[in-house]
Amino acid sequence: DAGITQSPRHKVTETGTPVTLRCHQTENHRYMYWYRQDPGHGLRLIHYSYGVKDTDKGEVSDGYSVSRSKTEDFLLTLESATSSQTSVYFCAISESVLLEQFFGPGTRLTVL
Amino acid sequence: QKEVEQDPGPLSVPEGAIVSLNCTYSNSAFQYFMWYRQYSRKGPELLMYTYSSGNKEDGRFTAQVDKSSKYISLFIRDSQPSDSATYLCAVGAQKLVFGQGTRLTINP
Repeated sequence: DAGITQSPRHKVTETGTPVTLRCHQTENHRYMYWYRQDPGHGLRLIHYSYGVKDTDKGEVSDGYSVSRSKTEDFLLTLESATSSQTSVYFCAISESVLLEQFFGPGTRLTVL
Repeated sequence: QKEVEQDPGPLSVPEGAIVSLNCTYSNSAFQYFMWYRQYSRKGPELLMYTYSSGNKEDGRFTAQVDKSSKYISLFIRDSQPSDSATYLCAVGAQKLVFGQGTRLTINP
């Protein structure tokens, strides 16, 4: 994985609790993305960032917020986790919107 | 209607077979086309990337784009058990939109 780490790799939590997932890159890429992957839906974009403090919503942003205070870190927060947010979450980075996205190893989140 | 449609399979073929994976898309504004390969419990990795209609070849893999029909394909020749994975098509303009992924198994 091209200098991308995600933490935690696995998490089990209860409905209603806040959860924060972290994506860290060492590639100095401008763009960072959060996706969720669910059976039958493929990868769906939650939020993305095009620079420090610059973020925008994706296709499935309801219930999620993000922050990027440093180039290398992109945080995804579930304000109040629900069972429908049980999924595998992938972070990705790219130098440009027109170039390849490199994916992290994923975080498997279970909300009970 | 989804922006990108991909048959989820699963698809199971014998070793050495030619595999054809396909996607259709609805938005003619999409400018670039990718195929990602994802092994079980791993992140996707880029396999092929093309901007234009026509064919692009890389070893045993050929990506084909037909913009007039809004149809993209990935062909795998002389398939190997190590090709067993989920294959995701992706189309993009300012953002990438992914298909559902096709789970492929190559049987020795």
